[in-house]
Amino acid sequence: QVQLQESGPGLVKPSETLSLTCSVSGYSIYDGYYWGWIRQPPGMPLEWIGSIFYNGNTYYNPSLKSRVTMSVDTSQNRFSLTLRSVTAADTAVYYCARSRNGNIVAVPAGIFDHWGQGTLTTVSS
Amino acid sequence: EIVLTQSPGTLSLSPGERATLSCRASQTVNNNFLAWYQQIPGQAPRLLIYDASTRATGIPDRFSGSGSGTDFTLTISRLEPEDFALYHCQQYGSSPRTFGQGTKVEIK
Repeated sequence: QVQLQESGPGLVKPSETLSLTCSVSGYSIYDGYYWGWIRQPPGMPLEWIGSIFYNGNTYYNPSLKSRVTMSVDTSQNRFSLTLRSVTAADTAVYYCARSRNGNIVAVPAGIFDHWGQGTLTTVSS
Repeated sequence: EIVLTQSPGTLSLSPGERATLSCRASQTVNNNFLAWYQQIPGQAPRLLIYDASTRATGIPDRFSGSGSGTDFTLTISRLEPEDFALYHCQQYGSSPRTFGQGTKVEIK
């Protein structure tokens, strides 16, 4: 059974960098699928941040692209998110998720079938 | 960017009733790449439907998805107590992937 678990600092100061890691168990990242980050600010809709393939190919939301970097560590079976120059607007629950395709291939795959429990990251001084 | 508008914002129904949730896209969703998720407060979203009408593994058949182009519907044929939750639609036919603002199904 695939399980994902986010980890991170919980509190980040404005203008600093938010770094989160998603540890995957029950499935090897190296075996394929896309791995993504989605966030949910308080009382706001879900927002796709970006996705990464096991080979390191990345796909970012244009609204965040200038501040986001994603990476994958197949040896540790985890992937990471870095968001630079954060502001209060970046306060959110951050989820990591696996995504796959249905009968027709999309790049990146967009069906988020397994999610982590989410981690609240607050941006405040 | 495709904007997804869900309606109604809140649906007040009783157990056993039928729920009909709407998701309207600002542009055609390519290949009907539309998914629905259920989110119980404090939990992560759970995939219910993908490709507009395909139920995900383990999802009861009281959940069904329909629609194409710009108009999509999630139907819950008979509400069970555990179905009272927040529902999101999401498109993955274009980049960036986008979500609707959600419909809350609450107990009347």
